[in-house]
Amino acid sequence: NAGVMQNPRHLVRRRGQEARLRCSPMKGHSHVYWYRQLPEEGLKFMVYLQKENIIDESGMPKERFSAEFPKEGPSILRIQQVVRGDSAAYFCASSGTAGWVEKLFFGSGTQLSVL
Amino acid sequence: SQQGEEDPQALSIQEGENATMNCSYKTSINNLQWYRQNSGRGLVHLILIRSNEREKHSGRLRVTLDTSKKSSSLLITASRAADTASYFCATVPSGGGADGLTFGKGTHLIIQP
Repeated sequence: NAGVMQNPRHLVRRRGQEARLRCSPMKGHSHVYWYRQLPEEGLKFMVYLQKENIIDESGMPKERFSAEFPKEGPSILRIQQVVRGDSAAYFCASSGTAGWVEKLFFGSGTQLSVL
Repeated sequence: SQQGEEDPQALSIQEGENATMNCSYKTSINNLQWYRQNSGRGLVHLILIRSNEREKHSGRLRVTLDTSKKSSSLLITASRAADTASYFCATVPSGGGADGLTFGKGTHLIIQP
């Protein structure tokens, strides 16, 4: 019974490159959430998706960032033209119910380093 | 605006002692959740307490919620070295809405063997 799977675990990009972060939710979960964590900080909400739909993207920067959760395959968080300030740990979580009324299951995160 | 704020920021105690962490929040909530994060890992859910509940237990964990004071506490009894981690409270505003589960900066707990 695999949990939330994120890959890659570590990603190094140079400024201006694209970063693609993948997240496979727990089996049977159709709700995915992306969070960003800076060192010594709590998690900041970015986006909430269901299959083929973006439900809430209020925490995601309007430019360079996008997210999708296709009918088949993992959820993808895409950062175009990365800058040093994008360096952070990006966590994905999933749940079996809508919203946040039940607990979330988190992946181990992707540590993005921008050189 | 940030919801859960944990206090203290860091706590160091001896193994076997009890550890208490507090969380304050600003607006009405649907529920409050506590998570643990080991260094370099994802968050692990500990307890969810709903706005109409006052206390919940899970093993060595005890969570209280005081909605009149907009605060919660997490008590870990008989601490162990393996309890060393960061602990976060997270709130879900009543009525749902944007931002969803909002985390504080956490309490870094160190258990000295």
